[in-house]
Amino acid sequence: AQRVTQPEKLLSVFKGAPVELKCNYSYSGSPELFWYVQYSRQRLQLLLRHISRESIKGFTADLNKGETSFHLKKPFAQEEDSAMYYCALSGYNTDKLIFGTGTRLQVFP
Amino acid sequence: ETGVTQSPTHLIKTRGQQVTLRCSSQSGHNTVSWYQQALGQGPQFIFQYYREEENGRGNFPPRFSGLQFPNYSSELNVNALELDDSALYLCASSLGGSGANVLTFGAGSRLTVL
Repeated sequence: AQRVTQPEKLLSVFKGAPVELKCNYSYSGSPELFWYVQYSRQRLQLLLRHISRESIKGFTADLNKGETSFHLKKPFAQEEDSAMYYCALSGYNTDKLIFGTGTRLQVFP
Repeated sequence: ETGVTQSPTHLIKTRGQQVTLRCSSQSGHNTVSWYQQALGQGPQFIFQYYREEENGRGNFPPRFSGLQFPNYSSELNVNALELDDSALYLCASSLGGSGANVLTFGAGSRLTVL
């Protein structure tokens, strides 16, 4: 079955602390993995995708095929990182996404 | 360049009624996908339209149907509404066939079924 699991509903950290939002997936084949973010009162938007191998707003995510994980990391959290984060996957060359249930990140001052 | 716009933003219906939600895709995008997001859940894929044809469907009953128009705008229709249809309905557009797999989302239409 194709599935994305985000085990944490809520993650609370203080400003400057490291952040890791967990994402595990189940997919037969070679998926493409994404992180989407929704800031307060804004629409869902792409944060990063694994094939780009880039860092956006200080966030990185590495695809670990052995552990079927795509955890999102940031070494020093900022208050403006507070948002809802969704991990998602799609098959190759398709833009149909399977989303996880999301993790709310709260960064306290 | 305009983004994805959806209408209406909020609406309330009663069980058994029918609803039509509308979506204008981002300029240059030819593919529209619809997602249902229930409270506390991630978005769930309903279906996708590419060049006016349905191009994939998720696990939703036939009372969920859609259309895409020549200008690539789209409608989502839900018949015989049930209480569990209460959710945020998201439209997303993309440039299909590019393999880019990047969706641009609208703000959503929040449907409440009483």
